Amino acid sequence: NAGVMQNPRHLVRRRGQEARLRCSPMKGHSHVYWYRQLPEEGLKFMVYLQKENIIDESGMPKERFSAEFPKEGPSILRIQQVVRGDSAAYFCASSRDQGNTGELFFGEGSRLTVL
Amino acid sequence: ELKVEQNPLFLSMQEGKNYTIYCNYSTTSDRLYWYRQDPGKSLESLFVLLSNGAVKQEGRLMASLDTKARLSTLHITAAVHDLSATYFCAVDMSSGAGSYQLTFGKGTKLSVIP
Repeated sequence: NAGVMQNPRHLVRRRGQEARLRCSPMKGHSHVYWYRQLPEEGLKFMVYLQKENIIDESGMPKERFSAEFPKEGPSILRIQQVVRGDSAAYFCASSRDQGNTGELFFGEGSRLTVL
Repeated sequence: ELKVEQNPLFLSMQEGKNYTIYCNYSTTSDRLYWYRQDPGKSLESLFVLLSNGAVKQEGRLMASLDTKARLSTLHITAAVHDLSATYFCAVDMSSGAGSYQLTFGKGTKLSVIP
């Protein structure tokens, strides 16, 4: 019974490169959320997606960041032209319904380091 | 903008002792969550508090919510080493019935020492 699967777990990029983070939700879950955790900080909401739809991207930086959740395959968080400030842990969560009173199941995160 | 403040941010306590972690938040919300995170791991949901006066207990941990004071507490009773982790509170800012836009505190890093 796989939980929320994220990969890669660790990613190193040089400034200006692109980072792609993938998230496969739990089986039966159609809602995906991305959060970012900066060092020594709490998680911050970035974006909420359902299959083929972005529901709420109010937490996403306006430039360089994009997210998708295609009909087939994992959700992808894409960061173009990475900068050092993008270094963080990126967590994906999923739920069966919209949130459903706290039943957000988190993955183990993808830790991005920008050199 | 919603602010969620936890204190203390670091807590070192001896096994067998009791302590309370506090979570204050700045905007009205009826939904508050406590999570546990072990190093390099995902967040594990501990408690979901959905109404004023809610109290939930699981083992040595007990969480409560006072929406009027905008305060939640996580009380640790007779701490054991296995409780060492970082504990986050999170407040729901989503509109509607579901929760997804959680605002997290910075976390309380708990170390239980023999």
